[in-house]
Amino acid sequence: NAGVTQTPKFQVLKTGQSMTLQCAQDMNHEYMSWYRQDPGMGLRLIHYSVGAGITDQGEVPNGYNVSRSTTEDFPLRLLSAAPSQTSVYFCASSGRDRGRVETQYFGPGTRLLVL
Amino acid sequence: AQSVTQLGSHVSVSEGALVLLRCNYSSSVPPYLFWYVQYPNQGLQLLLKYTSAATLVKGINGFEAEFKKSETSFHLTKPSAHMSDAAEYFCAVSDGNTDKLIFGTGTRLQVFP
Repeated sequence: NAGVTQTPKFQVLKTGQSMTLQCAQDMNHEYMSWYRQDPGMGLRLIHYSVGAGITDQGEVPNGYNVSRSTTEDFPLRLLSAAPSQTSVYFCASSGRDRGRVETQYFGPGTRLLVL
Repeated sequence: AQSVTQLGSHVSVSEGALVLLRCNYSSSVPPYLFWYVQYPNQGLQLLLKYTSAATLVKGINGFEAEFKKSETSFHLTKPSAHMSDAAEYFCAVSDGNTDKLIFGTGTRLQVFP
């Protein structure tokens, strides 16, 4: 298993540009999430999905869109990038054990710089 | 609402010394608690987790943590620090029913020879 994969590893954008951060998992996990990591703030939840076709907002959803058309993929879209979105983005997935959420597995991250 | 507080953004220890990283949580329901480690320029790796079974949880790399309900704490310890333990450590809480993890702000561990 490759686990959770993310592309690209690093991206530079200009203010106002759009892009999609890709995330895929091959563990057949129902749950997938996107977090952003900023210095001194830990990781904050952006959006999450409990299964294909179902998404919901996390703590900091503004400026980001998501969709979940398949179990495997959970892309994160920035429609009009802003310097405040400069961050490291992590995708995570988790399964269920006897109805309770299991451990979340994290991808290697995408480092985004918005100029 | 759930929250996590990690006391001390930086902790420095000598190689061979005890490692103690503090985590206190707030939760209105029985929590699931996690410790993750992040090495430079890498993703997060699970060290250990508490899911309402044994209160003393053993993880990878010699780390362990004890769930203390009366103190709402889940401190991470290791008897003897190695140079390779230098990393950032995150405590996180969830209610076990959703995919939402609430993270602390992290503690950077430095290990000196």
